[in-house]
Amino acid sequence: EAGVAQSPRYKIIEKRQSVAFWCNPISGHATLYWYQQILGQGPKLLIQFQNNGVVDDSQLPKDRFSAERLKGVDSTLKIQPAKLEDSAVYLCASNAGTSPTDTQYFGPGTRLTVL
Amino acid sequence: GIQVEQSPPDLILQEGANSTLRCNFSDSVNNLQWFHQNPWGQLINLFYIPSGTKQNGRLSATTVATERYSLLYISSSQTTDSGVYFCAVGYSSASKIIFGSGTRLSIRP
Repeated sequence: EAGVAQSPRYKIIEKRQSVAFWCNPISGHATLYWYQQILGQGPKLLIQFQNNGVVDDSQLPKDRFSAERLKGVDSTLKIQPAKLEDSAVYLCASNAGTSPTDTQYFGPGTRLTVL
Repeated sequence: GIQVEQSPPDLILQEGANSTLRCNFSDSVNNLQWFHQNPWGQLINLFYIPSGTKQNGRLSATTVATERYSLLYISSSQTTDSGVYFCAVGYSSASKIIFGSGTRLSIRP
């Protein structure tokens, strides 16, 4: 079974530029998550999708961050414009359902550096 | 919101040693998971353990929900155990989990 795929793995941009990340979850997984992990901290949930609907986006900075999951499969996370404090690893995860017992499977992450 | 505190923040051990990692949380939870993030950044789920005790090889975990803490035990440490161990908790019917700041474990050969 293929794992969660993310691209690109690394991205370096200047502040005020735009950037987009892509995630392909495990086949058949209904729930998809985007997390932001700042160096030295635990991952912080940005947005949760179930199929193509948003379940929780309470911690997404909506003035600059957006995410979509068209057709309930792949997802993209966009930052426009980027700030220095957006430098972090962006992790995508998926699981089969919405039960607390469902294990979340994480992708390798995209490391973003904003200069 | 719920607070998750992990201790110690850093731990350096020789290969073969045992270790205990602690996770304290500030409110009742219905979901508690332990994760390992390897030095390359990959996060792997170790245990789903909102209460009770579980074991998987050299790793075991115990959660005392009434006292709001969980412990992760690693016996006979190996260099491949190095990385950051995260505790994550959830408190609703949904699958959202909140991560602690982690314990960084370094196993020296």
